[in-house]
Amino acid sequence: NAGVTQTPKFQVLKTGQSMTLQCAQDMNHEYMSWYRQDPGMGLRLIHYSVGAGITDQGEVPNGYNVSRSTTEDFPLRLLSAAPSQTSVYFCASSRRLADEQFFGPGTRLTVL
Amino acid sequence: SQQGEEDPQALSIQEGENATMNCSYKTSINNLQWYRQNSGRGLVHLILIRSNEREKHSGRLRVTLDTSKKSSSLLITASRAADTASYFCATDAWTDKLIFGTGTRLQVFP
Repeated sequence: NAGVTQTPKFQVLKTGQSMTLQCAQDMNHEYMSWYRQDPGMGLRLIHYSVGAGITDQGEVPNGYNVSRSTTEDFPLRLLSAAPSQTSVYFCASSRRLADEQFFGPGTRLTVL
Repeated sequence: SQQGEEDPQALSIQEGENATMNCSYKTSINNLQWYRQNSGRGLVHLILIRSNEREKHSGRLRVTLDTSKKSSSLLITASRAADTASYFCATDAWTDKLIFGTGTRLQVFP
């Protein structure tokens, strides 16, 4: 099992550009989520999904879109990148919310 | 706003000493989890404690939960240099969201 994979590992964008951060898991987990981590702020929940076709907003959803067309994949889209979105992004999955979360290695994003 | 706040923000100890970090949260919870993050890496699950449990052990880890005070503590006994990491609590409060605290940075000196 590969667990939770994220691509790319690093990305530099210019303000206004769009991109998609990829997240995939091979554990047949229903629950998936995206977090961003900024210095001194811990992890903040962006969006989450309790199953294919179901997504909802977290604490900081503005500027991000998600979709969940399959159980395995949960991409995060930045519609028009802003410097405030410079952060490290983590994807996580679990069987249920109340279970152990498995985290991907993260994507380090810089927006100039 | 974040549900959990860890205390202290940073902690430095010598190998062999015990490390205690605390987590306070704002609303009633269903479960509380503790995670470790080594520098630049993803988080790794340590332990989960349910709201009807008061204490849980896993190896050198001991977690307590006091729902009346809305707080939890993580004790690492006989710390090792390899325990150097950031530690986060995370709570789910009868919603579909798992919310993390701000973390404690632990440095264990050989």
